[in-house]
Amino acid sequence: AQSVAQPEDQVNVAEGNPLTVKCTYSVSGNPYLFWYVQYPNRGLQFLLKYITGDNLVKGSYGFEAEFNKSQTSFHLKKPSALVSDSALYFCAVREWNNAGNMLTFGGGTRLMVKP
Amino acid sequence: DTEVTQTPKHLVMGMTNKKSLKCEQHMGHRAMYWYKQKAKKPPELMFVYSYEKLSINESVPSRFSPECPNSSLLNLHLHALQPEDSALYLCASSQEKQGADYEQYFGPGTRLTVT
Repeated sequence: AQSVAQPEDQVNVAEGNPLTVKCTYSVSGNPYLFWYVQYPNRGLQFLLKYITGDNLVKGSYGFEAEFNKSQTSFHLKKPSALVSDSALYFCAVREWNNAGNMLTFGGGTRLMVKP
Repeated sequence: DTEVTQTPKHLVMGMTNKKSLKCEQHMGHRAMYWYKQKAKKPPELMFVYSYEKLSINESVPSRFSPECPNSSLLNLHLHALQPEDSALYLCASSQEKQGADYEQYFGPGTRLTVT
């Protein structure tokens, strides 16, 4: 079975500093990886995805993620954090089987950006 | 239009009540999903519909009954729920094509409280 892990429950960053939210994956075959963000009492919003191609993927709201095959990682990054980036972030891996298209989520990382 | 809508936003029901959650999308997506999310936890997949047919049921208790009346609508019928069923219920949709890299779009969720 495919899985992703987010080793940090919470990441604290000062506004204006770079941020990194970590994700590692375990898949058989080529990984299809996603990052979602969830603000309080809201649904999940798609940020970016890696399917194939460039290892640096750019997404919404200035976020980017670096795919590293040798380290089986897909870390989310942003050069300069905003207070409004404070939210819950989920890494996910897509799996396809005969039943359909499924996402498996990591445990989530709460990002706190302080002024 | 990349919006998935869910109604109601909040629902409080007793253990003997019958209620329904509704989800709608007009993006032409042929895959729709129900997830259950507890506080500070990742979403857990409950059901997947592919071309209006139930393709995945993740061993969900029968007190949850999904229905897909057409390609734009998804319902979740609730009956005789338990307090531990209180959670945020998320609907999502995506295009459906084997091997494709389509992300899932999530609705804002219904916050369910069972008393």
